[in-house]
Amino acid sequence: GENVEQHPSTLSVQEGDSAVIKCTYSDSASNYFPWYKQELGKRPQLIIDIRSNVGEKKDQRIAVTLNKTAKHFSLHITETQPEDSAVYFCAASTGGGYNKLIFGAGTRLAVHP
Amino acid sequence: DVKVTQSSRYLVKRTGEKVFLECVQDMDHENMFWYRQDPGLGLRLIYFSYDVKMKEKGDIPEGYSVSREKKERFSLILESASTNQTSMYLCASSTGGAKTQYFGPGTRLLVL
Repeated sequence: GENVEQHPSTLSVQEGDSAVIKCTYSDSASNYFPWYKQELGKRPQLIIDIRSNVGEKKDQRIAVTLNKTAKHFSLHITETQPEDSAVYFCAASTGGGYNKLIFGAGTRLAVHP
Repeated sequence: DVKVTQSSRYLVKRTGEKVFLECVQDMDHENMFWYRQDPGLGLRLIYFSYDVKMKEKGDIPEGYSVSREKKERFSLILESASTNQTSMYLCASSTGGAKTQYFGPGTRLLVL
């Protein structure tokens, strides 16, 4: 079955720096790749997603890139702020009616003022 | 706004007890999911349901069962709770296809 690996497990940056989180997936049929942010004590929430027919997607300070050949995708956060501190999860799905997601283990991002 | 609610935020149970965790969504979503979240392991899928009375095993179904008698409600049942089921349990819902999953606030379960 699908397996998603996520690196690094922890990431510490200074405010204003960029942060990059990388994920690899195993199932070449995967076609949907969301990223979720989970702040301390809160529920995971979708921050950005990308589908397999697109190579890159941006939304203000966050962007996601997808390399289907290498089966990896990355989250890029520019000009980090303390409120970006959270756990980030990548996921992959083959789509279909069930919308079953396989999640990575998560990356704990700390942004220091 | 989509609203997914879970019956309890915190729960303490004894080994061997039968435990019910309930999830309700108000967006008429077809799909509902139960995950458990453990440090360093991410979110692991226990069971999901794509329609009333329909269910499919996820990646870690052992020791759990589910029930979906109404479209808006999805219950997770621990038939005989064990200490290794101490975890955070998250419910989610979504429409069909590759769409956003909306999560509930989670239930932190402690089994003594």
